Amino acid sequence: SQQGEEDPQALSIQEGENATMNCSYKTSINNLQWYRQNSGRGLVHLILIRSNEREKHSGRLRVTLDTSKKSSSLLITASRAADTASYFCATDAGSGGSNYKLTFGKGTLLTVNP
Amino acid sequence: DAGVIQSPRHEVTEMGQEVTLRCKPISGHNSLFWYRQTMMRGLELLIYFNNNVPIDDSGMPEDRFSAKMPNASFSTLKIQPSEPRDSAVYFCASSLGGWRGYTFGSGTRLTVV
Repeated sequence: SQQGEEDPQALSIQEGENATMNCSYKTSINNLQWYRQNSGRGLVHLILIRSNEREKHSGRLRVTLDTSKKSSSLLITASRAADTASYFCATDAGSGGSNYKLTFGKGTLLTVNP
Repeated sequence: DAGVIQSPRHEVTEMGQEVTLRCKPISGHNSLFWYRQTMMRGLELLIYFNNNVPIDDSGMPEDRFSAKMPNASFSTLKIQPSEPRDSAVYFCASSLGGWRGYTFGSGTRLTVV
C-alpha cells in the first residue's frame, strides 16, 4: 500500500518560477525523503528530513515537515528546464535497526518549460 | 564508485519462461532492496536484505518470485514462470541503512509477451 501521496499529480511551470509539491502520509515516521526520477532512469536521492526536524535546505531545495498534519512539502526555487522530472516522497516508518524500508508515493510529474 | 549496477537493462521474454534479474550494490552498503515500478501501482517494495539476510519479503507477489543474496556484492531476482502481468521496471537499490538515502540502479525493463 502507498504510505505517501503526492499532490499535485502533475505540475507545469515556466523556467525561473518556483515549484511546490506536497506529500501526505498516514502513519508515524522516522524520516521522510524526496527523490527525483528522470524519464527512463532510476531514482536519485535529493534530501532527507528527520521526524524531529521542521525544515531543511539543500541548494535550491527546501523541504518542510509537519508531523502533526502528517505532511511535507518540497519547494524548488528558480526552476530550470533540467528540473523536469518526477518527484517522489518516501517515508521510513520502520522500527529502527535492521527494519529500515521506504514506502514511496506515486509521484508528481514536474515540467519546466523554457 | 560505479553505483548500483543492474543487468540486463531490457529483457523481453515469452510467457512461461524463467527470468533472472541481477544487481550489484555499492560496495560497503549493507542493505539491498528490490522494487517494481508500474504506472498503475507505482513503486512497490518486493523484498529487502540486511547484511545478505532477507528481512521482509511480504511484497513478493507470488511464489513465482524469488530473490537471493549469496554475498554482499550480488543479488538476483528470479521469476519462474513469467507472466505478462509481470511486465514492469524492476529496480535494485542499496543503502548504508539508518538515516541515509537509497542509491538506485538504472532498472531492468521487463516485457513478458
